Amino acid sequence: SAVISQKPSRDICQRGTSLTIQCQVDSQVTMMFWYRQQPGQSLTLIATANQGSEATYESGFVIDKFPISRPNLTFSTLTVSNMSPEDSSIYLCSVGDRGKTEAFFGQGTRLTVV
Amino acid sequence: RKEVEQDPGPFNVPEGATVAFNCTYSNSASQSFFWYRQDCRKEPKLLMSVYSSGNEDGRFTAQLNRASQYISLLIRDSKLSDSATYLCVVNRSGGRRALTFGSGTRLQVQP
Repeated sequence: SAVISQKPSRDICQRGTSLTIQCQVDSQVTMMFWYRQQPGQSLTLIATANQGSEATYESGFVIDKFPISRPNLTFSTLTVSNMSPEDSSIYLCSVGDRGKTEAFFGQGTRLTVV
Repeated sequence: RKEVEQDPGPFNVPEGATVAFNCTYSNSASQSFFWYRQDCRKEPKLLMSVYSSGNEDGRFTAQLNRASQYISLLIRDSKLSDSATYLCVVNRSGGRRALTFGSGTRLQVQP
């Protein structure tokens, strides 16, 4: 499976600021996704990162709050904008590939907003 | 109703026990099914895919019943290292390969 590197692994941020999380894959992948896992909860899909076009957001998530870039088939970023304590969560990058239905995850970014 | 529902547990079992987890999903058009394992403060990792014919990987057996929209995972001869949260995961239909996760079932294997 692809090796997925996500950084930072953790951060503590002041409310009102923004944090950009990077996801780097060691091979070209078709699909890249961003998930959020709030404390004690399961994973919720934020958006699908589309190469060369705007990301596809799930209900309850908007581009202004979670802008996503995907300039090529191996890299994506997720920005958490104008953070509040409610954004404290683990953010996970996930990749899938054509012909395969399972997905694999980066190590996650543990974000605490104070 | 949640798309994927699991008993949150926790399941506390002794070493060597057999334990079964169940999961139901609401979208009858779902196409692919998985069990993932998530250790504390770690990312989810694929444990096994689930096929209609059932499949086995060592001590782990997964079953899918499409008619009842029900998925199961059986762990035999539990080890301490099996302690984790087990996530039932469904792949959405319609060509999008994003996954829908259940809330997870916590397993604690005790010596």
